[in-house]
Amino acid sequence: DTAVSQTPKYLVTQMGNDKSIKCEQNLGHDTMYWYKQDSKKFLKIMFSYNNKELIINETVPNRFSPKSPDKAHLNLHINSLELGDSAVYFCASSPSGLTADTQYFGPGTRLTVL
Amino acid sequence: AQKVTQAQTEISVVEKEDVTLDCVYETRDTTYYLFWYKQPPSGELVFLIRRNSFDEQNEISGRYSWNFQKSTSSFNFTITASQVVDSAVYFCALSEPFKGSARQLTFGSGTQLTVLP
Repeated sequence: DTAVSQTPKYLVTQMGNDKSIKCEQNLGHDTMYWYKQDSKKFLKIMFSYNNKELIINETVPNRFSPKSPDKAHLNLHINSLELGDSAVYFCASSPSGLTADTQYFGPGTRLTVL
Repeated sequence: AQKVTQAQTEISVVEKEDVTLDCVYETRDTTYYLFWYKQPPSGELVFLIRRNSFDEQNEISGRYSWNFQKSTSSFNFTITASQVVDSAVYFCALSEPFKGSARQLTFGSGTQLTVLP
C-alpha cells in the first residue's frame, strides 16, 4: 500500500551512461515532481508535471528529461551521466499542484556516478 | 525571492530533553503554506505538518508542537521529551509559485537533530 514508490533505491553507474529512475504513485494525485538532494542535504525542485503542463527548473540540464506514460507515473531519464549528477533523487506527488497541497515523497533513489 | 532559513545546522540533546527547531521564512505572498518534513537516517522524507498563513494557532500532536508567528515570519517546531527515534534531519518548507500555475516547495537547509541516550 505504498503511496509513492521509486525504483531502484540505489543506482551505481559509470560516467557517460544513460539511466532511468521510475516513480509511481497510487494516491490518485494529479501532479508529480522530481527533487534533487545534494550531498549537503539541500533539496531543490527539478520538475513539476501534471496532465496539462510540464514545468522545468531552468537550472536543470537538458540531459534530464521526465516522461509520464500516465497520471500515476513520472519517470526520470538521465543521459550522459556526469559525476556531479551523484545525489539522491526524490519523486513526490500532490493532489493538484495548488498552494495548499501537501506533497508526499517517495523513498528516494541514491544515484552514484563513478 | 522567497526563502526559508534554518539557522541551526546541528543540534544534540540528551533523551527526554525538550528541543526547538527554528524556521524563518521570507515571502511576498499574502496566502502561503508552511510545512515541516522529517528525514530519518533511512532517508525517506516524512510529512509532519502543514500550516496556512491565516491560521496562527499553535498546534500540538503528541510530543510535537508548532509555533507559527506571522509577525516574526517564524514557524518553529518543538519536540517535548525527545527520544532517540527523533534523531533525524528536519526540514522546514514554504509553498511558493514555480512557473505558470505550478507550485513548488522551497526547503530550508535542514537541521540535523541527534538525541543521545
